[in-house]
Amino acid sequence: ETGVTQSPTHLIKTRGQQVTLRCSSQSGHNTVSWYQQALGQGPQFIFQYYREEENGRGNFPPRFSGLQFPNYSSELNVNALELDDSALYLCASSRDRGAGELFFGEGSRLTVL
Amino acid sequence: AQSVTQPDIHITVSEGASLELRCNYSYGATPYLFWYVQSPGQGLQLLLKYFSGDTLVQGIKGFEAEFKRSQSSFNLRKPSVHWSDAAEYFCAVGPNSGNTPLVFGKGTRLSVIA
Repeated sequence: ETGVTQSPTHLIKTRGQQVTLRCSSQSGHNTVSWYQQALGQGPQFIFQYYREEENGRGNFPPRFSGLQFPNYSSELNVNALELDDSALYLCASSRDRGAGELFFGEGSRLTVL
Repeated sequence: AQSVTQPDIHITVSEGASLELRCNYSYGATPYLFWYVQSPGQGLQLLLKYFSGDTLVQGIKGFEAEFKRSQSSFNLRKPSVHWSDAAEYFCAVGPNSGNTPLVFGKGTRLSVIA
């Protein structure tokens, strides 16, 4: 186990709704990255947070937003859900902003109907 | 742009047989390289990583990988596969400095038969 925990593990939403996913980073880590993994695909980078600031963003629309808290836990928010948002959302923490080793949680499986 | 290619979508091997999973990358400089494994419904677990030095790196669960700069490859190997190795394997590349995130390949699904 990596010490990275995510909640909820599974959830079902309908199109147009909003969702919040949560992540607790591993002790001693100040950076959290979020990835989207569609079925049969590799993880795609959404964004990264370092010390409560967004520190890089992938090719995702603004309706994907996030937060990082003083304890370095993080939230991913998705507004106006679309069917294509159905995926496994993975949170990963790391010791610093560089592309060193990422420690992944087990993910939140989102289904949009 | 950075990219990772895993040419094999699905590989089936017999238990006890050797395994090689291929990974090719495109990167502007010497990258950091990783192999992760994902069991069904699970997150990603790091198998091994290459940052610098010896180009043959050892990982967990008996896996190893070899970095070949001239071929832009980082193939994963295991001499004898166990049924518990059945999973999805992802190769990833990242910069050795700066904040660019890890880029993952699309993965190779490994099936193990008796």
